[in-house]
Parts: sequence; C-alpha cells; structure tokens
Amino acid sequence: DAGVIQSPRHEVTEMGQEVTLRCKPISGHNSLFWYRQTMMRGLELLIYFNNNVPIDDSGMPEDRFSAKMPNASFSTLKIQPSEPRDSAVYFCASSAGGFSYEQYFGPGTRLTVT
Amino acid sequence: KQEVTQIPAALSVPEGENLVLNCSFTDSAIYNLQWFRQDPGKGLTSLLLIQSSQREQTSGRLNASLDKSSGRSTLYIAASQPGDSATYLCAVNAQKLVFGQGTRLTINP
Repeated sequence: DAGVIQSPRHEVTEMGQEVTLRCKPISGHNSLFWYRQTMMRGLELLIYFNNNVPIDDSGMPEDRFSAKMPNASFSTLKIQPSEPRDSAVYFCASSAGGFSYEQYFGPGTRLTVT
Repeated sequence: KQEVTQIPAALSVPEGENLVLNCSFTDSAIYNLQWFRQDPGKGLTSLLLIQSSQREQTSGRLNASLDKSSGRSTLYIAASQPGDSATYLCAVNAQKLVFGQGTRLTINP
C-alpha cells in the first residue's frame, strides 16, 4: 500500500513567485496535516483537515499561506508570494481519525526561495 | 503552552549497547504521545504511539514508557545496531502534535 505521497520533492523558486505543494494521503484516512520543519523552529503544525474540512489553521504563518482539500485524496498548500524565510521542508501527514491515531508522514518537499 | 524537551540533543554509543532517550513535556493533559524516527533528508517514520491511559508500548527492540503525571516519556532501544542511527523525535498530542527538537543518535560499529 502506498504511503503519503508528496510532490514535488524539491522546489527552488525566486522570491515573489507562487509555490504549490501537493499531497495525496493514505487511502481511507480521513485526517490530513501539513507541517513545516526548520532548523530554528523544528516541526510545526500549519493546518489540519478532518473529512476535507479545515479544523485548525492557527499555525498558518500569514495570509500568504493557504491550503485546500477539495476531496479525500488530494490537498494543496500554496504560498503566494513566496519569501526567502519560507525556505523549509514541508511535510504532509495523514491519520485514520485525527490526533488519536498514528500519523503517517510523507517524504516532504524541500522548498528553497532565493 | 505545551513545550516538549528531548535530552540529550545528540548521543553516540557503540553497537550492541542498550540506550534510553528522554522526552519531557510541561502539560500533563495529553491524549497520547508518539515517537518518530527521521533519517537524513527523509520523512518521519512512526515508531510507537502510547495513549494517555497506557504506561508503555513495545515493538521489537523498542520500548516506550509514559508517565503522564511527571510529564516524561522514555524510548528504550535494546541491542543497538548501526541501522538505528537517526534522529528520534517525540511528539505530544494536546489538541495538536507538539514536537521536541529530537535526539540525534549515532551507533558506531
């Protein structure tokens, strides 16, 4: 069974450009999470969806960040416009039922904004 | 605000040793605690999940304990192997997962 799939694996873009990260959760999982990992701040939750509905977006840094989950098998995280401080590894994770169940992480997208 | 601390930040031991990684958290009102492993440049692999009502969980050579009242969890690795070298992260679930900074473990052959 395929795990969580993320694309692209690496993204290099210039400041001001729009960036879209994609995630396909494990089939049958109804919860999806987006995290960001940096050396300074470690792993931080950005947003959490349950049954395709955003439940907690308090971790989204600012209005430049937006996330959608149009259906149970696909989610996007968009940054517009991107800034150098957005450089990080972005992980998507899914679980069978919110935080009570194990979360399974994708391989991550390494974003570099120059 | 929940804070999670992992000590030590780095640990290097010879192969075959048993070792303990520590995790402490400030708010005991948690739903569960999860231990992850992260290899360089890779995602996180879930190792063990301990519900708040449990005291420990075991998987192979790994044993994780939870003492909610004192805000502590330990991950015990028996008979360590070079393949165990990775960063180990503990995450506390208190409405959302809060991660520690991790312990970077190196097992020397």
